[in-house]
Amino acid sequence: SQKIEQNSEALNIQEGKTATLTCNYTNYSPAYLQWYRQDPGRGPVFLLLIRENEKEKRKERLKVTFDTTLKQSLFHITASQPADSATYLCALDGDNQGGKLIFGQGTELSVKP
Amino acid sequence: GAVVSQHPSWVICKSGTSVKIECRSLDFQATTMFWYRQFPKQSLMLMATSNEGSKATYEQGVEKDKFLINHASLTLSTLTVTSAHPEDSSFYICSATERALRGYEQYFGPGTRLTVT
Repeated sequence: SQKIEQNSEALNIQEGKTATLTCNYTNYSPAYLQWYRQDPGRGPVFLLLIRENEKEKRKERLKVTFDTTLKQSLFHITASQPADSATYLCALDGDNQGGKLIFGQGTELSVKP
Repeated sequence: GAVVSQHPSWVICKSGTSVKIECRSLDFQATTMFWYRQFPKQSLMLMATSNEGSKATYEQGVEKDKFLINHASLTLSTLTVTSAHPEDSSFYICSATERALRGYEQYFGPGTRLTVT
C-alpha cells in the first residue's frame, strides 16, 4: 500500500537558518505532491503544489523539490522566522480518483529566536 | 484564498448521543468535500469523500452507518456521528475543492474538536 514518511523527529532550528523537511514515499507514483502547514488546533493551510514533471518550485521563502527517482520531496524554508513554527504536512494525490489526498504524519518545526 | 468554515468548533457530548458537524464553503462552490479525522500527533486520516447530490464514498474501515454524511448543496456538507462513544473523540476536519481532480488544492476548515464523555 502507499506509504508516506516525513521526518519523525521534531526539527529545531535557529532564526535565520534554512529549515529542510523531508517527505519520502513508497509503492506509488504520484502525479502531484502538495505541502500544507498546520498550526495546533487548526486545519491545514495549502502552501505549494509540485507536479511530477517539475523538479523545483518556489514561493517567496519556500522551495519544494520533487525527485521521482528517489521518491522524495524536500521542503525548504529560507531565512526562517519564529512565525514559521508549525507542523508541515506533505500530501500525495491518492489512487487517481476524485482528488483524494494521502497525508504524511507531519514534521513539527520550531524556530528559536 | 477560498474560505471553508466548520461549526461547531468544539463540542462535548454524552456517550450514546449523536452530534452533527457542518462544513461550509463560503465563497466558492464545492463539488466535493472530504472529511478527515486526526488524533493528537498523528496525520489526517481520510474518512469519506462527499459529492454534492450523491452518496458519500467511505474509506475502508470507516463505518458508514456511524458516520453519516450528507452533501445537500454545493456549499454545505454535514457529518453526523451517531451513537457517539469515547473512542470517537477526535479532531474532525473537512476540506472542499472546486474540482475533484488530481492536482487541485483542498481548502480546509478550522476543524471541530469532539469530546465524548
